[in-house]
Amino acid sequence: DTAVSQTPKYLVTQMGNDKSIKCEQNLGHDTMYWYKQDSKKFLKIMFSYNNKELIINETVPNRFSPKSPDKAHLNLHIDSLELGDSAVYFCASSQEIGGAYEKLFFGSGTQLSVL
Amino acid sequence: DQQVKQNSPSLSVQEGRISILNCDYTNSMFDYFLWYKKYPAEGPTFLISISSIKDKNEDGRFTVFLNKSAKHLSLHIVPSQPGDSAVYFCAASAYAGKSTFGDGTTLTVKP
Repeated sequence: DTAVSQTPKYLVTQMGNDKSIKCEQNLGHDTMYWYKQDSKKFLKIMFSYNNKELIINETVPNRFSPKSPDKAHLNLHIDSLELGDSAVYFCASSQEIGGAYEKLFFGSGTQLSVL
Repeated sequence: DQQVKQNSPSLSVQEGRISILNCDYTNSMFDYFLWYKKYPAEGPTFLISISSIKDKNEDGRFTVFLNKSAKHLSLHIVPSQPGDSAVYFCAASAYAGKSTFGDGTTLTVKP
């Protein structure tokens, strides 16, 4: 059983289209994230949700909208896709225990290519 | 502003020898540090971590050293194995829920 699963693995689309990436975790974690890995290989946080509440929202264009229907799911919707959105998007989850930092569990990534 | 830097994009070592991967940070508020390993077409997986109250943490073949005054940490792998060949990311946290990542070092362990 995959702990953090995201779909699709590959997404090729035209500029201007709207697309969604889905993420589910079966670890029972309270917190989920979206990270973006750009061409320079940096992993940069985009959003973080804790129990369906948005807690981190980095400087991300409004075209990106996360949606968390429940604490096991965090989807990413992207409107009006641009060439610069091409990247690998990783979903992750973690569980904070007693205020201690916890490691992240990542999905396998979604390679988004905007043509 | 790149707060976590891994200045060596790649490292190649012989099987059985020591691999040393380095990471520097600039934000003195960081107090928890993690290393992740990533294979191609997979997500990063947690390897080892260290709190700022310690200067060393060991787990099997993996040891992380933290030098707070120099804002530097390193990951030692001894002995290195071909299966260790992967991209290694250093990450740092100032509070729970937000890890800042470096851009990775590609380790190649030659048989």
